[in-house]
Amino acid sequence: GAVVSQHPSRVICKSGTSVKIECRSLDFQATTMFWYRQFPKQSLMLMATSNEGSKATYEQGVEKDKFLINHASLTLSTLTVTSAHPEDSSFYICSVRMSGTGYTFGSGTRLTVV
Amino acid sequence: AQSVTQLGSHVSVSEGALVLLRCNYSSSVPPYLFWYVQYPNQGLQLLLKYTTGATLVKGINGFEAEFKKSETSFHLTKPSAHMSDAAEYFCAVSDIEGANNLFFGTGTRLTVIP
Repeated sequence: GAVVSQHPSRVICKSGTSVKIECRSLDFQATTMFWYRQFPKQSLMLMATSNEGSKATYEQGVEKDKFLINHASLTLSTLTVTSAHPEDSSFYICSVRMSGTGYTFGSGTRLTVV
Repeated sequence: AQSVTQLGSHVSVSEGALVLLRCNYSSSVPPYLFWYVQYPNQGLQLLLKYTTGATLVKGINGFEAEFKKSETSFHLTKPSAHMSDAAEYFCAVSDIEGANNLFFGTGTRLTVIP
């Protein structure tokens, strides 16, 4: 199955700064990647669908100007949390979907904004 | 629309005892159903999935789940719990494999008591 690498696994940043999270599909060309967010003790929530070569599709309630997604190649999607605030502290997970095998998830990035 | 309900946010079992994690789904079309496991500070790992065919699905680490359409359920079981099974478990539903979204339950934290 697909292998998805997510980096960094942990990041601590100051309020007001921006943080970039990378999601790489190591052995599969992914035209679509998905970004999820998980708040403590809650389930995963889909934030956006990242499409290679085009604009991402954001779920209702997700600020596209705050969570910038770039999918410039078939193996890399990035999520940039701009002007991060403490309420953005969360666990962010990316995934790719392969037909016939379901979804493969990255190992996640724990963001702490101080 | 699809949704998932996981009964019991926290389940505790003794080592060697039966594990039963409940999942009920709602779907207007035939569902694809998944169970994922999340170990602390890690991403999600697919345990098993039901798409079509046999309703009893066997997954990794000795887990299995049975799709019961009449009960709209997809409960996860394991005959004998190990300490290493302690984790968070998420049930998810998708309407068709081509859909771009998984709808997750809120998760069940499994504690295994020595």
